[in-house]
Amino acid sequence: AQKITQTQPGMFVQEKEAVTLDCTYDTSDQSYGLFWYKQPSSGEMIFLIYQGSYDEQNATEGRYSLNFQKARKSANLVISASQLGDSAMYFCAMRDNNYGQNFVFGPGTRLSVLP
Amino acid sequence: GAGVSQSPSNKVTEKGKDVELRCDPISGHTALYWYRQSLGQGLEFLIYFQGNSAPDKSGLPSDRFSAERTGGSVSTLTIQRTQQEDSAVYLCASSLTASGLSYEQYFGPGTRLTVT
Repeated sequence: AQKITQTQPGMFVQEKEAVTLDCTYDTSDQSYGLFWYKQPSSGEMIFLIYQGSYDEQNATEGRYSLNFQKARKSANLVISASQLGDSAMYFCAMRDNNYGQNFVFGPGTRLSVLP
Repeated sequence: GAGVSQSPSNKVTEKGKDVELRCDPISGHTALYWYRQSLGQGLEFLIYFQGNSAPDKSGLPSDRFSAERTGGSVSTLTIQRTQQEDSAVYLCASSLTASGLSYEQYFGPGTRLTVT
């Protein structure tokens, strides 16, 4: 069964607007970590933000924030004030003890920022 | 400091040949991962090393694929008798440790493999 679901294969957003990229996950573990990575067309994978399952506050890193809803098992990435350079693939990933602490990645969402 | 490095950056090989892909993780990182990414697709997990423990090979697609990690550092992914469907970007990542859930992975630039 797929552990990470990203239901939006592609998203468009106008420059300077905010956008939310969806991610839902499945785990029976109480302790887990959630990550978002960005992959621009150059191919490099860039770590953006981390949320621990026991963290009470939603994680924020600059223009990135994570809308963590534990009961719904969702960890949506919010990008505020979109920039043209935000155009990329975005991957949600999870690490839990049930999977031997390995990372499981979602299929990704391609974000295009329009000028 | 130095990040994860991979070599070669590009490899073109003929069908049926063997190839070796190399990954140099960040110094001190005990966990090392290999992924495969076909064009426009997500990451497909291949294999995972953690310290001196037996590797998790559950993602290797066939017995033509193997990997080793010498001295807990450099890793080599070997693909024997390459097939055209092996064409992809092979990404390596390392993490400080696998015993803490918050440690993110740092990715290398990848090796683009083309099998003709």
